[in-house]
Amino acid sequence: EVQLLESGGGLVQPGGSLRLSCAASGFSFSSYAMSWVRQAPGKGLEWVSAISGGGESTYYADSVKGRFTVSRDNSKNTLSLQMNSLRAEDTAMYYCAKDYSTGLYYSDYWGQGTQVTVSS
Amino acid sequence: DIVMTQSPDSLAVSLGERATINCKSSQSVLYSSNNKNYLAWYQLKPGQPPKVLIYWASTRESGVPDRFSGSGSGTDFTLTISSLQAEDVAVYFCQQFYSTPLTFGGGTKVEIK
Repeated sequence: EVQLLESGGGLVQPGGSLRLSCAASGFSFSSYAMSWVRQAPGKGLEWVSAISGGGESTYYADSVKGRFTVSRDNSKNTLSLQMNSLRAEDTAMYYCAKDYSTGLYYSDYWGQGTQVTVSS
Repeated sequence: DIVMTQSPDSLAVSLGERATINCKSSQSVLYSSNNKNYLAWYQLKPGQPPKVLIYWASTRESGVPDRFSGSGSGTDFTLTISSLQAEDVAVYFCQQFYSTPLTFGGGTKVEIK
């Protein structure tokens, strides 16, 4: 059974940093691209970042480029999102999602999410 | 960036009736080399993560009831719920995965009339 468990969310002041993690199990982690998608309060879904199965390719939304860094440790089946220079508009539920394939396609499994709140 | 525009923003449908959601992309998401539309539909319920319903514009995900269907090609797509059930109350999103950044539509809230 595919399981994705996010952690690392919390309350942080504007300009601060957080590191989100996603522990994956139940599938061959290195064979699939992984994504981060967020939903701000009362808003729709926003794709944030993704990384290919081997980690050699990374992708970012313009809204986070230069501030967020996605990475993965295939030996530990873990996906990470380092978030720096956080802004109020980064407040959202952040989901870790498994891609359908090693490339960048649709997401077929999602974690339950971790809440990030940026506020002073 | 490919802009995804959904309509309507919300709709109320009687139980057992048809619900139709539209999604339009600002450029074609049909990949000519494999003739596949890089378009997915997701269902989002409060307190739950998104769930994929349809991919390649018309392929139903395993376990998704057959009352859900997807159609369309190029830039215009439709998600149809043929006979609305109470458990279908949710927000539905289309997403293109043709090019990065991947983009979602604004969502359509489906309620019971």
